[in-house]
Amino acid sequence: EVQLLESGGGLVQPGGSLRLSCAASGFTFSSSAMSWVRQAPGKGLEWVSAIGGSGSTTYYTDSVRGRFTISRDNSKNTLYLQVNSLRAEDTAIYYCAVGFGGYSYWGQGALVTVSS
Amino acid sequence: EIVLTQSPGTLSLSPGERATLSCRASQSVSSNYLAWYQQKPGQAPRLLIYAASSRATGIPDRFSGSGSGTDFTLTISRLEPEDFAVYYCHQYGSSPRTFGQGTKVEIK
Repeated sequence: EVQLLESGGGLVQPGGSLRLSCAASGFTFSSSAMSWVRQAPGKGLEWVSAIGGSGSTTYYTDSVRGRFTISRDNSKNTLYLQVNSLRAEDTAIYYCAVGFGGYSYWGQGALVTVSS
Repeated sequence: EIVLTQSPGTLSLSPGERATLSCRASQSVSSNYLAWYQQKPGQAPRLLIYAASSRATGIPDRFSGSGSGTDFTLTISRLEPEDFAVYYCHQYGSSPRTFGQGTKVEIK
């Protein structure tokens, strides 16, 4: 059974940082591209970032490029998202997701709240 | 960046009725890599359709997808009570991947 479990969310002040983690199990993690998708309160889905199976290829949406860094540790079956220089508009539930035709599997999400 | 525009914003229908949701892309979606998701309050999205018309595992056959290029449609042939939710289209053919803004299917 595929499982994705996010952690690391919380309340942070504007300009602050967090590292989100996504622990994966039930599939061959090192062969799978992984993504982060976020959803602001009461809003729609926004694709944030993706990383190839080896970790050598990364992609970002424009609004987070230069502030967020996606990475992975295939020895730990864990995906990360380092989020820096946080803004109020980054407040959202952050989901990790995986799939080979769309996202078949999603975590339960980690809430990041940016507020002073 | 490919912008996906969904219509209508809200669809008010009764159980048993047919629902037709539209997703229009600002440019052609590569290889018709277009997916549809259902999301209910407090839950993560659920994949319904991938590659424009292929049903994901375990999805009832009342859900169907069609279209190509820039125009795509999700059809729910007969709405069941559990189908009232928000639906999103998503293109994964080019980076950055993008989502539509969603269509809410509500009970009339």
